[in-house]
Amino acid sequence: RKEVEQDPGPFNVPEGATVAFNCTYSNSASQSFFWYRQDCRKEPKLLMSVYSSGNEDGRFTAQLNRASQYISLLIRDSKLSDSATYLCVVNAPDTGRRALTFGSGTRLQVQP
Amino acid sequence: ETGVTQTPRHLVMGMTNKKSLKCEQHLGHNAMYWYKQSAKKPLELMFVYSLEERVENNSVPSRFSPECPNSSHLFLHLHTLQPEDSALYLCASSQRTGGTEAFFGQGTRLTVV
Repeated sequence: RKEVEQDPGPFNVPEGATVAFNCTYSNSASQSFFWYRQDCRKEPKLLMSVYSSGNEDGRFTAQLNRASQYISLLIRDSKLSDSATYLCVVNAPDTGRRALTFGSGTRLQVQP
Repeated sequence: ETGVTQTPRHLVMGMTNKKSLKCEQHLGHNAMYWYKQSAKKPLELMFVYSLEERVENNSVPSRFSPECPNSSHLFLHLHTLQPEDSALYLCASSQRTGGTEAFFGQGTRLTVV
């Protein structure tokens, strides 16, 4: 099983739609969770951290389900500029790994 | 504007050349990283430095040689590369290793000819 699994997509949605991505992680000891956004041929940029109680930033809502080991990202009222690849990121305690683990990403294409 | 700066942004080199990639972070972070991203592929972690000490090396070929002279600067020295090494090389930094969010530079797009 991959440490971080994401549906690669693409998710093709019209402007104004609501879209949700899920991500599952395998390490039950993980404690830090993030969503990053990566535009084509650019660097990943931190979109938001994911907190146990869930958190919202404008049109974006992130949630964590520790029991099922998944995190989600909900985007409301999609904009054309939301088109990008969304990376699910977790830490890997107890593994000796010192860096965050990045998923392969879910590609979102918002269409006019 | 980014707190992590990489130079050069683009590099074309022959297989017999030697070149270096430079990364500088202005965030006061203690950890720095090199990642490789080939076309349409996920990020691959190469090296991790914590307070200038290399703490992780992910089976990277010896033709890639990192150097971290201080906590703000990171280099990746390249020599006798192969065409399959062509990729986007990304530097990142974080407050510490293990769990804090990482911030990336804009990357160096490397083409080996």
